Amino acid sequence: QKEVEQDPGPLSVPEGAIVSLNCTYSNSAFQYFMWYRQYSRKGPELLMYTYSSGNKEDGRFTAQVDKSSKYISLFIRDSQPSDSATYLCAMSIAGGTSYGKLTFGQGTILTVHP
Amino acid sequence: DGGITQSPKYLFRKEGQNVTLSCEQNLNHDAMYWYRQDPGQGLRLIYYSQIVNDFQKGDIAEGYSVSREKKESFPLTVTSAQKNPTAFYLCASSTLGPPGDGYTFGSGTRLTVV
Repeated sequence: QKEVEQDPGPLSVPEGAIVSLNCTYSNSAFQYFMWYRQYSRKGPELLMYTYSSGNKEDGRFTAQVDKSSKYISLFIRDSQPSDSATYLCAMSIAGGTSYGKLTFGQGTILTVHP
Repeated sequence: DGGITQSPKYLFRKEGQNVTLSCEQNLNHDAMYWYRQDPGQGLRLIYYSQIVNDFQKGDIAEGYSVSREKKESFPLTVTSAQKNPTAFYLCASSTLGPPGDGYTFGSGTRLTVV
């Protein structure tokens, strides 16, 4: 079983829809949770970053972390065709050399139709 | 502009050959990382370095080697011992400490064995 599980999709939605992307994980030591967006043949770009449990909002994006359920989510409101990309969740453990060692989900391919 | 430069963008290797992928950063980051991305598997950590002349194996280091002679540079060599090297390779850099806004990826090198 992978440490981080993410539904690879693909997910196809109409423009303006609310998109929900999710990851589950098994390692309770994860403390830092990130969501990256990756366009085809490009490097991932950081969208959201949260520490421990709770919600964080940035424009049309909301990240939620539920450590008791080992479950994280990314919500995209009023989705746009430019949001079409692969979305990757990533996590890391706090402390020492562990901070930068990110563990990624498989990525979810999202397409937003005009 | 500060950032990470990976070269070349595309690389073709004959079986049995070693090839070296370049990664240079001008962000003054202490830590650098190499990840491998295969379809449906997200990113997996190959090697990482937090200080010049020191580096550690990640989850899939077999068949790869690295060096860190300068803070700005972290080249990755894919050796002939790597049985399935065709993949998208991503270099990243960060400050020491918690991951977040400063964790930056390059644009990647696509390696194909011919």
